[in-house]
This record gives sequence, C-alpha cells and structure tokens, in this order.
Amino acid sequence: DVKVTQSSRYLVKRTGEKVFLECVQDMDHENMFWYRQDPGLGLRLIYFSYDVKMKEKGDIPEGYSVSREKKERFSLILESASTNQTSMYLCASSPYRDRGSMGYTGELFFGEGSRLTVL
Amino acid sequence: RKEVEQDPGPFNVPEGATVAFNCTYSNSASQSFFWYRQDCRKEPKLLMSVYSSGNEDGRFTAQLNRASQYISLLIRDSKLSDSATYLCVGVTTSGTYKYIFGTGTRLKVLA
Repeated sequence: DVKVTQSSRYLVKRTGEKVFLECVQDMDHENMFWYRQDPGLGLRLIYFSYDVKMKEKGDIPEGYSVSREKKERFSLILESASTNQTSMYLCASSPYRDRGSMGYTGELFFGEGSRLTVL
Repeated sequence: RKEVEQDPGPFNVPEGATVAFNCTYSNSASQSFFWYRQDCRKEPKLLMSVYSSGNEDGRFTAQLNRASQYISLLIRDSKLSDSATYLCVGVTTSGTYKYIFGTGTRLKVLA
C-alpha cells in the first residue's frame, strides 16, 4: 500500500513563528502536492512538485514556500505564521503514468493531514 | 464560476436507498476524473476513477458525460457507513497536471 506520512497531526504555533510541515511518501511517486482545506472552500492547492528540486505555485502560494531535495520528501514552510493560516494541511502524491502520446497522472494519495492552529 | 462544482448537500437518505450525486466541470481540457470519499476530520481517500464508458464497483457506479461536462456517482443500497463527504476531482493537462477538487457533497444515511 502507498503510504504518505505527514510529520505532525496537530500543531499549535504563535503568530510570526516559522513552521515546517514534512511529508514523506514511500512509493517513488514523481508528483507531490500540498493543499489546505477549509470549511466551505474545499481543497486549495498551495504548491506542487513534479521532480526533485522542482516546484510550482498552486492557487494560493502567498505566505508559503516548499522544498523538495529528495524524491520522497516534500516540505511546506510557513516563514512567518499568521492566524489566517490556521487550517488543515494535506500532503498528497501521485505517480505519473505514461499512456502513449498522452501521459496522464494517476490518482492522488493523501497523508493523514496536519491540523495547524496559529494563535 | 468554479471549475468543478458540486451540490454541498447534505443529502439525508434512509438505509437501503439509492442516491446520486452530480458534479459539473467547466474546463474541457480535463482528462481524468475521480471520486474521493472523506470522513469527518480524515484525509480524502480514492473511491473510484471515472471512465468514459462508465464503471461500477459493487454498489457504486460512476459515469462521465464529456458532451455535457458532468460526472455522476450512484450509490445503491445505502449503508450507514456510506455517510461521508464525496469529492469530485478533475485533472487538467493544459501545460502541467492540475487536480481540481469540488467542495464536496455531504451524505448522511439514516437508520
């Protein structure tokens, strides 16, 4: 079974603190993603990565950065946490499946989530 | 307009009922579709992929209508354990791959 592991299930931080959220997957997936989920807003993509040392902005990258130094690990960094970053953070990975001339990406596998509260 | 739209519900149905959810998408470049299930305060988990020809997995049937740009999920013989939020996901491949989630449809199956 694919396993996506997030380092912390629950965190409480203070405004202005630097926050690291770690994510590790064990299935050699090329693609990794960070989402946040808020009531009524659904899942919103923060950043994603299709390869080591590669990153691309999602829909809401402001206030966040990421790092992917190894294929299995994708870290989300909040440089200076703010109260509006209180949320559930979900890491996900997916394999790239080549289908002839049109490659496509497979289903997402999620970690258990990290519930962050910023006071 | 949201790229992927779902009726948020809740859908309250008795045990044994058949219930259907629809999801519409606006980006015709969407290539792949999935239904995910999410239990309260848990991560989303894949329920099933959606194929153009339609596909069935036990009590669950998924359909894709590209002409009308919607996908559907049918649950037959609802169980109490089916109570959850069902998320519709489309994957676009214009440039880079992007998974677009609907906000989810909440289902409550009542005894």
